[in-house]
Amino acid sequence: DIQMTQSPSSLSASVGDRVTITCRASQSISSYLNWYQQKPGKAPKLLIYAASSLQSGVPSRFSGSGSGTDFTLTISSLQPEDFATYYCQQSYSTPHSFGQGTKLEIK
Amino acid sequence: QVQLVQSGAEVKKPGASVKVSCKVSGYTLTELSMHWVRQAPGKGLEWMGGFDPEDGETIYAQKFQGRVTMTEDTSTDTAYMELSSLRSEDTAVYYCATGQSPYYFDYWGQGTLVTVSS
Repeated sequence: DIQMTQSPSSLSASVGDRVTITCRASQSISSYLNWYQQKPGKAPKLLIYAASSLQSGVPSRFSGSGSGTDFTLTISSLQPEDFATYYCQQSYSTPHSFGQGTKLEIK
Repeated sequence: QVQLVQSGAEVKKPGASVKVSCKVSGYTLTELSMHWVRQAPGKGLEWMGGFDPEDGETIYAQKFQGRVTMTEDTSTDTAYMELSSLRSEDTAVYYCATGQSPYYFDYWGQGTLVTVSS
């Protein structure tokens, strides 16, 4: 099974900051990497698919990059509604494992 | 636009089984690859299994093999996830999830809380 490791596990930042979250796969997953945002009590929301493709309706301040084993999610200028937990997920092979999550909190 | 509506919260005793439903609208179930993801209280997301269109079969995470069954009723466009031999560690919100591609989930149900308690 492929293990997905996110860093950091938590992050404090301010509105307007540029934030980067990292996700590392235990083996190469090509570009089969997705990013989700989850707010308390809500279902996850797809932000980025195939490592760098922005899901329709998602603000352009979100971007993704990487391939192989190392990936990043960047938020260029944090907005109040961006404070949430973020998960990466690989869809290269089953089980389609998720990272442990990164909780983004207001500083 | 796909909508997924799940059945309501359940309370079960250890050793019992639970069956959660996920009603699809906007598309037919045969056009989608349905997956199930769970989230224990305060914990992360855990993929349980789903349909692999390349193999044409449902794949289960090893952790749930023998305890989980995912089925579909195409006449009603409803997917089901049944988990048996429940234990307290199975207390979680269970989500159905699918997408326009089999490689990501852009549609999610609202979640079903399953509580396992004696």
